[in-house]
Amino acid sequence: ELKVEQNPLFLSMQEGKNYTIYCNYSTTSDRLYWYRQDPGKSLESLFVLLSNGAVKQEGRLMASLDTKARLSTLHITAAVHDLSATYFCAVGPDYGGATNKLIFGTGTLLAVQP
Amino acid sequence: EAGVAQSPRYKIIEKRQSVAFWCNPISGHATLYWYQQILGQGPKLLIQFQNNGVVDDSQLPKDRFSAERLKGVDSTLKIQPAKLEDSAVYLCASSLQGEGTAFFGQGTRLTVV
Repeated sequence: ELKVEQNPLFLSMQEGKNYTIYCNYSTTSDRLYWYRQDPGKSLESLFVLLSNGAVKQEGRLMASLDTKARLSTLHITAAVHDLSATYFCAVGPDYGGATNKLIFGTGTLLAVQP
Repeated sequence: EAGVAQSPRYKIIEKRQSVAFWCNPISGHATLYWYQQILGQGPKLLIQFQNNGVVDDSQLPKDRFSAERLKGVDSTLKIQPAKLEDSAVYLCASSLQGEGTAFFGQGTRLTVV
C-alpha cells in the first residue's frame, strides 16, 4: 500500500524566513504533485514533477523531486503572509499503466507570522 | 474554461438518512475522482472513473457508498445510510486521460447529525 508522508505537519514561520516542507512516499512513482488549500476552499494545483531531478519554481515557491530517494521538497523563500495555507503533496504510483491514481499526503499547515 | 462543478455546496442530514452529490467535470476530461476529506486530513480517494468505467474503488465503503458516471461525463456519489463519521468534505476532481494534473471542484461539505 502506498504511503505518502509530509513533515512537518505544522509550520509557523516568520515573514522573510526560508523553510522547506518534505514529502516522502513508499513506492515507485514518476509523478509528484503539489497542491495548496486555503481554509474552506478547494485544492489548487501548484506544481507537477514528472522526472527525477525535476525542479519547478513559481514566485517564492520551488519544488524538486528525487525519485531514487522517493522524496520531494517544497522550498519557501522569504515567506510572506499570503503563503499561509495547507500544502499537500500527491503521488501517482507507477502501477505499469494504471491511469492517474493520486494518493495525497497528510498536509502541512503553514502559518506565516508578521 | 469552466472548472469542475459540484452541488450542493453544503448538506446537513441526520444519521441513517441518504444523500447524493453531483459532479460535472471539465469538458473533455476522461478521468474523474471522488475524494473524501475529513477535517484536518488529506483527501482520501474513494473512487476513480476512466470514462464511465471504474478504475479503482478499493477505498469505497460499498455497503453504504455508491457512485456512477453516466455516459462518461457527470457523476453522482450516494451515501445510504449515512453515519456520523461520514461528516467530511466530498471533493470531485477531473483530469485529461494520460495527463496527471487533477483539477478540483469546490467540494460538498456534509454534516451528519
